[in-house]
Amino acid sequence: GENVEQHPSTLSVQEGDSAVIKCTYSDSASNYFPWYKQELGKRPQLIIDIRSNVGEKKDQRIAVTLNKTAKHFSLHITETQPEDSAVYFCAASMKAAGNKLTFGGGTRVLVKP
Amino acid sequence: NAGVTQTPKFRVLKTGQSMTLLCAQDMNHEYMYWYRQDPGMGLRLIHYSVGEGTTAKGEVPDGYNVSRLKKQNFLLGLESAAPSQTSVYFCASSPGGPSTGELFFGEGSRLTVL
Repeated sequence: GENVEQHPSTLSVQEGDSAVIKCTYSDSASNYFPWYKQELGKRPQLIIDIRSNVGEKKDQRIAVTLNKTAKHFSLHITETQPEDSAVYFCAASMKAAGNKLTFGGGTRVLVKP
Repeated sequence: NAGVTQTPKFRVLKTGQSMTLLCAQDMNHEYMYWYRQDPGMGLRLIHYSVGEGTTAKGEVPDGYNVSRLKKQNFLLGLESAAPSQTSVYFCASSPGGPSTGELFFGEGSRLTVL
């Protein structure tokens, strides 16, 4: 089955700096790559996603890039703010396999004021 | 529109006891999932369903059973709870079909097995 690895496990940045989280996946048939943000004690919520026919996608301060050949994708957060502090999860899935997501282990991001 | 609702939110069990977690969604979604979340391990898929009356095993199915008798409900059962099943359980749903694949999560159920 699919295996998703995520690095780093923790990330501390100064407010206003950028944060980058990287993920690799194992199954070349995966075609959907979402990123979820989970605040303390809350449910995971989708912040951005990308499909395998797209190399990059941006939404305001967040962007995701995908390299299908290398089987890795990354989340970039620019101009970080204290409210960006949370745990971020990458995931991968195949639509043909019931949309079931395989998640990475998570990255705890702390934005210091 | 409540979205995805899980009950109960918290539960403490003794080893060997049984219990059922209920997940209900009011979005008419076809697909439903049960994940468990443990520190440092992300979310791991226990069981899932791609439609009423269907279920399938995920990554960590041992010790759990599920049922999807109605489209809007997905039940997760623990027949004989073990301390290793102490975790936060998340239910999720997805429209299925030509949808984006986004999962919509419930608020989670924290289970402690003593």
